[in-house]
Amino acid sequence: GAGVSQSPRYKVAKRGQDVALRCDPISGHVSLFWYQQALGQGPEFLTYFQNEAQLDKSGLPSDRFFAERPEGSVSTLKIQRTQQEDSAVYLCASSLAGQQLNTEAFFGQGTRLTVV
Amino acid sequence: DAKTTQPPSMDCAEGRAANLPCNHSTISGNEYVYWYRQIHSQGPQYIIHGLKNNETNEMASLIITEDRKSSTLILPHATLRDTAVYYCIAKGWGLGGDDKIIFGKGTRLHILP
Repeated sequence: GAGVSQSPRYKVAKRGQDVALRCDPISGHVSLFWYQQALGQGPEFLTYFQNEAQLDKSGLPSDRFFAERPEGSVSTLKIQRTQQEDSAVYLCASSLAGQQLNTEAFFGQGTRLTVV
Repeated sequence: DAKTTQPPSMDCAEGRAANLPCNHSTISGNEYVYWYRQIHSQGPQYIIHGLKNNETNEMASLIITEDRKSSTLILPHATLRDTAVYYCIAKGWGLGGDDKIIFGKGTRLHILP
């Protein structure tokens, strides 16, 4: 596909359940970002990859959140033992290059996670 | 990255120009001004960016003041589809720059029929 693809689009999890959210970035894009967006708020940065290297995970709210991008393309955001406060839209974005070039980021449509 | 300040909401009549202001008084020399927008239930979408000079593309124009402390995004002929939250971001690049985009609260633009 031409854009960033995220799956599933919607996920309902029972409190305490583990979830895995997938992001397929644009082919060839080096940088990949995850954001969390609560209702009515702007997106909040979670973590950033350059190829397979996780260069910044300063935004991950707790050690229940884990992200990986083992082959430098597809990424998975995993949330263990989900809590109600984890309910949000999780956005993935990719961009062509890292720090050396001035490029735009392309966002997916997000995964809406509801923890009940 | 420099902090930006935007009005929380604005209205604009359909067909008129929408002018969205942004203050970034602490912007540093290597920081670009970026604009993204987020239409309801979609991910943010890149609009335009600039450093010092005014920029124009098929979506919008970006006017940056000479001292770079503020900018204005102009949608020349707003349509109902331009109703969205618009984010102004000051972002550094190059060595020492930070790749992540930090979103503020943005401006919720309502286009009125």
